[in-house]
Amino acid sequence: AQTVTQSQPEMSVQEAETVTLSCTYDTSESDYYLFWYKQPPSRQMILVIRQEAYKQQNATENRFSVNFQKAAKSFSLKISDSQLGDAAMYFCAYRSALGNEKLTFGTGTRLTIIP
Amino acid sequence: DVKVTQSSRYLVKRTGEKVFLECVQDMDHENMFWYRQDPGLGLRLIYFSYDVKMKEKGDIPEGYSVSREKKERFSLILESASTNQTSMYLCASRSPGQGLGGPQHFGDGTRLSIL
Repeated sequence: AQTVTQSQPEMSVQEAETVTLSCTYDTSESDYYLFWYKQPPSRQMILVIRQEAYKQQNATENRFSVNFQKAAKSFSLKISDSQLGDAAMYFCAYRSALGNEKLTFGTGTRLTIIP
Repeated sequence: DVKVTQSSRYLVKRTGEKVFLECVQDMDHENMFWYRQDPGLGLRLIYFSYDVKMKEKGDIPEGYSVSREKKERFSLILESASTNQTSMYLCASRSPGQGLGGPQHFGDGTRLSIL
């Protein structure tokens, strides 16, 4: 079974600075998808960024980018120019490209933005 | 925008009661999911459904059942509520037509307390 590990329960960053959230995963599969979801204090979870394992290029969405290291099974999220609205719980998630729709989530990292 | 609506934001019930959590989505999505979210444990999948009257167990189905009589509605049932089912419950939906990398869309969550 796949597992997803987020080793940083809490992180904080000064506004306008850059922060990196870590995620590692364990799988024997070669094709899969990785996601970062954001859950603000209002609680609705939204997708931040996604990465397909077969794509070598790291995904980027505006101020959000990932560092995908397939051999190391690492998928970190970098947030540049941090803003107050980035304060949230961030969850890393894994989805196999085979079989069912199941997402396996990590335990989350709570990000605090310091004004 | 996709709208996933959970019937209650907060719910308080007593041990032994039968509890219904309702979820409705307005985008004609085939797939729907129920998760529970606990601090330090992330999101864990309880049940999911690919279509009307179809259901599959997730990682923690014990003590729960589900019902999907209509495509837009997915209900989670606690047959006899227990205190260890106090948690945040999240509903999500997705269309396979979005491709394997397409996101799940989440509701706001129901914070359930069992006394």
